[in-house]
Amino acid sequence: DAKTTQPTSMDCAEGRAANLPCNHSTISGNEYVYWYRQIHSQGPQYIIHGLKNNETNEMASLIITEDRKSSTLILPHATLRDTAVYYCIVRVGTNFNKFYFGSGTKLNVKP
Amino acid sequence: ETGVTQTPRHLVMGMTNKKSLKCEQHLGHNAMYWYKQSAKKPLELMFVYNFKEQTENNSVPSRFSPECPNSSHLFLHLHTLQPEDSALYLCASSQDLGAQYFGPGTRLLVL
Repeated sequence: DAKTTQPTSMDCAEGRAANLPCNHSTISGNEYVYWYRQIHSQGPQYIIHGLKNNETNEMASLIITEDRKSSTLILPHATLRDTAVYYCIVRVGTNFNKFYFGSGTKLNVKP
Repeated sequence: ETGVTQTPRHLVMGMTNKKSLKCEQHLGHNAMYWYKQSAKKPLELMFVYNFKEQTENNSVPSRFSPECPNSSHLFLHLHTLQPEDSALYLCASSQDLGAQYFGPGTRLLVL
């Protein structure tokens, strides 16, 4: 199983971009990178996913390095409501999603 | 978000009780999942149902019994639980290899 490593916590000023890194050096060629976030004891919320190309949606951008061994989630203008634990996950399995959640990064957005 | 609903939201039960957790997805997905999140631990995948068939059981004790009567509903039947089973139980659904969408969870306390 491809494992991910993320910093335990990060701070970001409100209105600034938040860049959350993730290492997944053992990722296989057909494994996707997913990002979720969890706001205090709520269900995890899907943010974005990608395989090898950079992706952008209304919530965030995902930058995946060319060797696919790491990625960065970018929240372009962080707000206080973005304070949460962010999980970087590599999807395992070909028939359905088997997600293995790690400890994630606690993002603290400060005024 | 109301795509995946879970009831009850909170549950307190004794070790000799029998209770059931219910999950319903309104997204037309064909796969459903149960996760457990204990305090200060990562989410743990418990069960996976794909087209109503159980395709994954991550060595979960038999005191947890899942049931998937159709692709929209998922139950977790609980009996003779232990205090260490107290946790947030999360349900999720996905369509094939797409993203998993989570419900708000059931906070369970076993006394």
